[in-house]
Amino acid sequence: GAGVSQTPSNKVTEKGKYVELRCDPISGHTALYWYRQSLGQGPEFLIYFQGTGAADDSGLPNDRFFAVRPEGSVSTLKIQRTERGDSAMYLCASSLQQNTGELFFGEGSRLTVL
Amino acid sequence: QKEVEQDPGPLSVPEGAIVSLNCTYSNSAFQYFMWYRQYSRKGPELLMYTYSSGNKEDGRFTAQVDKSSKYISLFIRDSQPSDSATYLCAMSNTGANSKLTFGKGITLSVRP
Repeated sequence: GAGVSQTPSNKVTEKGKYVELRCDPISGHTALYWYRQSLGQGPEFLIYFQGTGAADDSGLPNDRFFAVRPEGSVSTLKIQRTERGDSAMYLCASSLQQNTGELFFGEGSRLTVL
Repeated sequence: QKEVEQDPGPLSVPEGAIVSLNCTYSNSAFQYFMWYRQYSRKGPELLMYTYSSGNKEDGRFTAQVDKSSKYISLFIRDSQPSDSATYLCAMSNTGANSKLTFGKGITLSVRP
């Protein structure tokens, strides 16, 4: 497909479990972003990759959250020891490197921690 | 106080109405201002982008930025039922496609 693809679209897990969320950006987009959106709130920045490296990870809430992008394309957001407060929609976006003003968002992965 | 405050909703208007959506912000370093539209169960999509102060028009949509007042607006003319969605303002000091700070969003419903 032409857009940003996120899998799984829905994930239900138990408190304390480990979760991985995957993002496949638009082909050719060098920048990739993860945001978290709670119900009734706007997206909150988590981390931003330029190529393979994290250019800004200041939004990661704590060391249970980690993200990788080993080959500069697909990215995985990893959450260890999940807590109920981690329940949210996790949005991935990609963009071209130049300052075009547009992030292209995927449809998100909804995480529910029971 | 959050960095970006957005008028609370929801907002319901009749078809054809002019809609005004607003955000205020506290960080004077913000230079890039965007409006995103988010349909239910979808990711946000960029609607309008403005750099620094001024107005920008695109069809039925007009974005205004007043940096002196730290206030941005989105106007929708001749609103349509297909405009029913959540509207999110977003801002950045480093670039329109870098770290964005979003408002909480306002849900608009346009009644036929």
